[in-house]
Amino acid sequence: EDQVTQSPEALRLQEGESSSLNCSYTVSGLRGLFWYRQDPGKGPEFLFTLYSAGEEKEKERLKATLTKKESFLHITAPKPEDSATYLCAVKGNTGKLIFGQGTTLQVKP
Amino acid sequence: NAGVTQTPKFQVLKTGQSMTLQCAQDMNHNSMYWYRQDPGMGLRLIYYSASEGTTDKGEVPNGYNVSRLNKREFSLRLESAAPSQTSVYFCASWGLAGRSYNEQFFGPGTRLTVL
Repeated sequence: EDQVTQSPEALRLQEGESSSLNCSYTVSGLRGLFWYRQDPGKGPEFLFTLYSAGEEKEKERLKATLTKKESFLHITAPKPEDSATYLCAVKGNTGKLIFGQGTTLQVKP
Repeated sequence: NAGVTQTPKFQVLKTGQSMTLQCAQDMNHNSMYWYRQDPGMGLRLIYYSASEGTTDKGEVPNGYNVSRLNKREFSLRLESAAPSQTSVYFCASWGLAGRSYNEQFFGPGTRLTVL
């Protein structure tokens, strides 16, 4: 059974304090690992897709990496506007996206 | 392009009432999805439609029905609402939109409370 676990559930950082969010997964035939950002009261917004172990993608202060068992979302020198819930999802042979519960990030000025 | 739109944004129902959540996308995507999001549970797939004229059950289909009216529209119906269906419902589509890879696009959500 495809499964995604995200940790920590919540993370509080000071502005400028870099950290990482973890997404551990088990999937039959990985066809993609996806990171989304979700702001309160809104739908998830796509950030990255990773397809194979060793792949990395960056966008502003965010960098996503992928191994065969997990993905990390690294946040470098975060700002208060980076505060949001970050969702990880995998797509396997079923073709369906399986989501983790998310990590809620709060960045204090 | 409006992307994925949903109506209504908020709804309060009494137990046993019925209602239909509407969803439309203007990106010419074949695949559309309905999810529910509950605290601590993440997004769970209710139903999906891989193409016009086809629908399939997801992880939590009980108590729901769907209709893929055409390529643009995918509706979710609650025939007899129950308090356990209190949730935030998201519609999504999957496909290209100005980039070289497929991604999933979400609507703004419908916040449903069943009393």
